[in-house]
Amino acid sequence: GEDVEQSLFLSVREGDSSVINCTYTDSSSTYLYWYKQEPGAGLQLLTYIFSNMDMKQDQRLTVLLNKKDKHLSLRIADTQTGDSAIYFCAGLNTGFQKLVFGTGTRLLVSP
Amino acid sequence: GAGVSQSPSNKVTEKGKDVELRCDPISGHTALYWYRQSLGQGLEFLIYFQGNSAPDKSGLPSDRFSAERTGGSVSTLTIQRTQQEDSAVYLCASSPQREETQYFGPGTRLLVL
Repeated sequence: GEDVEQSLFLSVREGDSSVINCTYTDSSSTYLYWYKQEPGAGLQLLTYIFSNMDMKQDQRLTVLLNKKDKHLSLRIADTQTGDSAIYFCAGLNTGFQKLVFGTGTRLLVSP
Repeated sequence: GAGVSQSPSNKVTEKGKDVELRCDPISGHTALYWYRQSLGQGLEFLIYFQGNSAPDKSGLPSDRFSAERTGGSVSTLTIQRTQQEDSAVYLCASSPQREETQYFGPGTRLLVL
């Protein structure tokens, strides 16, 4: 089955850019998502990208997709302390309708 | 509008007891999903309902787990004879008909003692 890997931890200073990376094994995902999870909370959808795109920008968020290398990244510009959370990438194959999640990256933003 | 709601938010139970977890999807959403988040296994798909179609139960870990969706809206996930390894956060999500974006509820934190 699908295997989705993320680095476990990222620490940045407030105002810097953060880049969270995700690699996956199954190239049949039609959509790729980024979700944010704050402590004790559910998953908040941040953004998503179609598999036929290579970039999507949404305010402070930029998603890059390299299908050849099966690599997805999320860049957060001007990172704020409120961005501290766990970030999950996830792929969806529309034939199966279930999200396959990465292992999650804990982002810590220090003042 | 209102998002996906789940109840209870926290549940502590004794090993061997049955538990029921409830999910209220976003109004008008026809697809409903259950996922489990645990320390050892990360986020895993459990079951998927779409309209009146037969549910996709391929992610249920054992026959102690079952789910139903009444009237195409509210869903209940039932775990019978709970075990300590069932301790996890159970997340519910819903999506509009044939749209792929899934919106998640806050989850139910289950602790089996």
